Amino acid sequence: GENVEQHPSTLSVQEGDSAVIKCTYSDSASNYFPWYKQELGKGPQLIIDIRSNVGEKKDQRIAVTLNKTAKHFSLHITETQPEDSAVYFCAASPGAQKLVFGQGTRLTINP
Amino acid sequence: NAGVMQNPRHLVRRRGQEARLRCSPMKGHSHVYWYRQLPEEGLKFMVYLQKENIIDESGMPKERFSAEFPKEGPSILRIQQVVRGDSAAYFCASSPGQGVNSPLHFGNGTRLTVT
Repeated sequence: GENVEQHPSTLSVQEGDSAVIKCTYSDSASNYFPWYKQELGKGPQLIIDIRSNVGEKKDQRIAVTLNKTAKHFSLHITETQPEDSAVYFCAASPGAQKLVFGQGTRLTINP
Repeated sequence: NAGVMQNPRHLVRRRGQEARLRCSPMKGHSHVYWYRQLPEEGLKFMVYLQKENIIDESGMPKERFSAEFPKEGPSILRIQQVVRGDSAAYFCASSPGQGVNSPLHFGNGTRLTVT
């Protein structure tokens, strides 16, 4: 089955700097890669996703890149703000339903 | 448009009791998923249901756990004879259909504590 590895487990950046979180997956059949943001006491919130027929997708300060050959994908957050502080999860799936999640990255934005 | 609603938010049960977790999907969504999250870990898939049908229960323990999504009413995740290892956050998600054009939207979870 699918296995997703996520790094780093914790990340601390200065406000205004960029943050990058990386994930690798094992199943070449996976074709859907969402990223979720989870704040304390809440459920995961979808922030961006990418399908396997696309190499990069951007939404304002957030971008995701996908390298199918190497089986890895990354989340990039630019111009970070204090409200970006949260736990971020990557996931992979062959069809968007049975998501396999990474272990999460705790991002802290320092003012 | 209300999101995925889960209740209760917190549930405390003694070992051996039963826990019932409820999930109402977003309006228009007929697909429901349950995931479990242990502290400091990612979410683990448990079960995928459509109205009145279990589609995939490969992530659910064979004993003590069951799930349903009746024609009317919320989806229910039921844990019988709870043990301390069942303590976790249980999240429900819903989607309007299948495939990559139907992303999952999660509720805020039920935090189960077994004493």
